[in-house]
Amino acid sequence: DSGVTQTPKHLITATGQRVTLRCSPRSGDLSVYWYQQSLDQGLQFLIQYYNGEERAKGNILERFSAQQFPDLHSELNLSSLELGDSALYFCASSVALSGNTIYFGEGSWLTVV
Amino acid sequence: GDSVTQMEGPVTLSEEAFLTINCTYTATGYPSLFWYVQYPGEGLQLLLKATKADDKGSNKGFEATYRKETTSFHLEKGSVQVSDSAVYFCALSDNGNAGNMLTFGGGTRLMVKP
Repeated sequence: DSGVTQTPKHLITATGQRVTLRCSPRSGDLSVYWYQQSLDQGLQFLIQYYNGEERAKGNILERFSAQQFPDLHSELNLSSLELGDSALYFCASSVALSGNTIYFGEGSWLTVV
Repeated sequence: GDSVTQMEGPVTLSEEAFLTINCTYTATGYPSLFWYVQYPGEGLQLLLKATKADDKGSNKGFEATYRKETTSFHLEKGSVQVSDSAVYFCALSDNGNAGNMLTFGGGTRLMVKP
């Protein structure tokens, strides 16, 4: 158990819909990351937050957004969902902004039908 | 930009065989290197890491040495078990002040047969 908690574990939704994935980082970790794992794209970095502020952005679509709240939990919002958004979405956390080991949650499986 | 290249799988071995999974990287600075493992139906787990050249990371019988001259971080294990069957990901972090994102290789599936 990495200490990173993600909910829900599985989610099935229809095209065009919006979903929110939730993440609680390890106790004491200030950085939260979101990654997408799909069959065709592999593991891709989406976005990083540090202590409530966005600090790095990867290949995140404009239809996706994220935020980190004062209690340090984070949410990833996916809207106008398409079939190709079906993937495993990982949240991860680390203590500091950089130079630290990143620990991953078990992921949220999203299926868009 | 940064990139990580892993040998394609699947790699199929018999129990107690020697394992090598090749990993090479391209990075502009002095990255930290990682191996993560994903067991069936589970999330990513950190297996081992190395933060500077010539460092050797080790865990659960797995080892990898950070080779700056060959830009490699090959994963090895002397005697694999059926329970080692999983997907292994090599990754790097460029330790930049702008963030700490990991760049992953494509993953290598290992299947160990009894």
